Amino acid sequence: SQQGEEDPQALSIQEGENATMNCSYKTSINNLQWYRQNSGRGLVHLILIRSNEREKHSGRLRVTLDTSKKSSSLLITASRAADTASYFCATERDSSYKLIFGSGTRLLVRP
Amino acid sequence: EAGVVQSPRYKIIEKKQPVAFWCNPISGHNTLYWYLQNLGQGPELLIRYENEEAVDDSQLPKDRFSAERLKGVDSTLKIQPAELGDSAVYLCASSPPVVGTGGFGELFFGEGSRLTVL
Repeated sequence: SQQGEEDPQALSIQEGENATMNCSYKTSINNLQWYRQNSGRGLVHLILIRSNEREKHSGRLRVTLDTSKKSSSLLITASRAADTASYFCATERDSSYKLIFGSGTRLLVRP
Repeated sequence: EAGVVQSPRYKIIEKKQPVAFWCNPISGHNTLYWYLQNLGQGPELLIRYENEEAVDDSQLPKDRFSAERLKGVDSTLKIQPAELGDSAVYLCASSPPVVGTGGFGELFFGEGSRLTVL
């Protein structure tokens, strides 16, 4: 079963534009994480936001969390062709010690 | 520092044949995970180890899948016999001991083992 669902499933933008991906989940969580996966590779952790945090930044990444709406967004600013990848949100339900991934957003950044 | 190492990267077998995947986690990481990733989907947890103990294997199809983590370090995931529907990427991940009560932190993934069953 997948806890998080990303939206959109696929996104195509021009280099230099911003990319926004959304994640919705169903149950209360300890934290929410975002991962990136290049084609044919493993997942790489991008950022973790805890349930008591509302926004977090890391370089060109900005993550927001709205626990009342059970949703999160990942914003990549000034996108580059190298940002082309799949992006997954993952949630840990309260005290479950189980990280559940969504189905991902496939981002294509056109040069 | 070496990352999570998996082998083989690719494996093609006939259905009903056995197959095994090996994972070496990052040194010091006591938690090890095996995930299954179907094409176009997110990873799904198969089993989680804390040191040598399998603490969550509820999603592991035990009729044909088995896993072990001897000495709490390397781990092997086996499928016997393989079926067509087992074609997927098998990802291994590890994470360090949890500190505090804020849930566990990031997972470190290997490159995965892509299985094709013909």
